[in-house]
Amino acid sequence: DIQMTQSPSSLSASVGDRVTITCRASQSITNHLNWYQHKLGEAPKLLISTTSTLQSGVPSRFSGSGSGTDFTLTIANVQVDDVATYYCQQSYSTFLSFGGGTKVEIK
Amino acid sequence: QLQLVQSGPEVKQPGSSVKVSCRASGISFYRHAMIWVRQAPGQGLEWVGGIIPLFETPSYAQSFQGRVIITADEVARTTYLEFISLRPDDTAIYYCAKSAVQASMGSYFDDWGQGTLVTVSS
Repeated sequence: DIQMTQSPSSLSASVGDRVTITCRASQSITNHLNWYQHKLGEAPKLLISTTSTLQSGVPSRFSGSGSGTDFTLTIANVQVDDVATYYCQQSYSTFLSFGGGTKVEIK
Repeated sequence: QLQLVQSGPEVKQPGSSVKVSCRASGISFYRHAMIWVRQAPGQGLEWVGGIIPLFETPSYAQSFQGRVIITADEVARTTYLEFISLRPDDTAIYYCAKSAVQASMGSYFDDWGQGTLVTVSS
């Protein structure tokens, strides 16, 4: 199975900061990496698919990059509404897996 | 507009079984992968398994093999997650989700159910 490792596990940022979350796969997954936002009490929400494709309605301050085993989710100009846990998910294998999550808080 | 509506919360004894449902309205899910993901208290998201109704054969995460059965009823537009031999550490919110890509489990998931809390306690 493909293991997904996210870092950091949590972070605290000020409004307007640039936030970077990394996700590493245990083997190459080419560009089959997706990002979700999970707010407390809600269902997960797809933010970015296949590394860098922003989903409709997602603010442009979110972006994704990477390839192979190393990927990044960036939130430019983080806002209070971005408080959530963010998960990466690989779709290279039909046996799916998620990263452990990164909890984003606002100072 | 697709909606996935899950069944209500469950409280079960250890060793018993539970069956959670996820009904799709708006479009057919026949060609899409339907997966189940859980979140235990204080933990992250964990893929349990999934099924593509078109192909009927489910797939499961290794850690759930033998304890989980996932089925789909296209007429009822409903997918089911059945857990047998429940343990207290199976206490979690269980989510269903639909793939954006047709006919492949290797996909991203753009529609999610509201979640079902399953509590396992004596």
